[in-house]
Amino acid sequence: AVQLVESGGGLVQPKESLKISCAASGFTFSNAAMYWVRQAPGKGLEWVARIRTKPNNYATYYADSVKGRFTISRDDSKSMVYLQMDNLKTEDTAMYYCTDRLGARGYWGQGVMVTVSS
Amino acid sequence: DIQMTQSPPSLSASLGDKVTITCQASQNINKYIAWYQQKPGKAPRLLIRYTSTLESGTPSRFSGSGSGRDYSFSISNVESEDIASYYCLQYVNLYTFGAGTKLELK
Repeated sequence: AVQLVESGGGLVQPKESLKISCAASGFTFSNAAMYWVRQAPGKGLEWVARIRTKPNNYATYYADSVKGRFTISRDDSKSMVYLQMDNLKTEDTAMYYCTDRLGARGYWGQGVMVTVSS
Repeated sequence: DIQMTQSPPSLSASLGDKVTITCQASQNINKYIAWYQQKPGKAPRLLIRYTSTLESGTPSRFSGSGSGRDYSFSISNVESEDIASYYCLQYVNLYTFGAGTKLELK
């Protein structure tokens, strides 16, 4: 069965860094683009980042709200996707989900909570 | 960047009602719109892609339509299990979600 499991969330102070992870299983991870989507408490969904596959040079794309601060990466040998979050702001507080599809049928993790607060 | 204006922010419906949610894109999105359902504490679930294509397992009481910049999503004969939040998503140029619509029971 397909599984996506996020980890690494927690409480950090503004301007600090945090790296969250998503472990994938049950499908050919190296063939799949991967995405991060977040949801602030009581708010709507926001696409954060996308990383393509090796044949597409692992191209990355970011929402304007995180460009220059967040970095998405992947390790196909471990079936892992990561989100390095630097210079965190209070408005980055959210549940972060990884998914293998947007706009098409896909799988989602259960989410990992990131709280940015002093 | 493409903006998605979704309305209304909330809806109150009785069981058996028909409800409609609209999304207007800031530019032509060539039917590349999807609709997601999200229940509290759960990840979103894709219901409809490419304007009107129902995903496997989506009940036929859900439907979508539209073109250009204007799109709509409807639920006919609302059932209790439909109580959730709904989001549109454009995916023609990167990705933008609408602000969401919370469907409640009257």
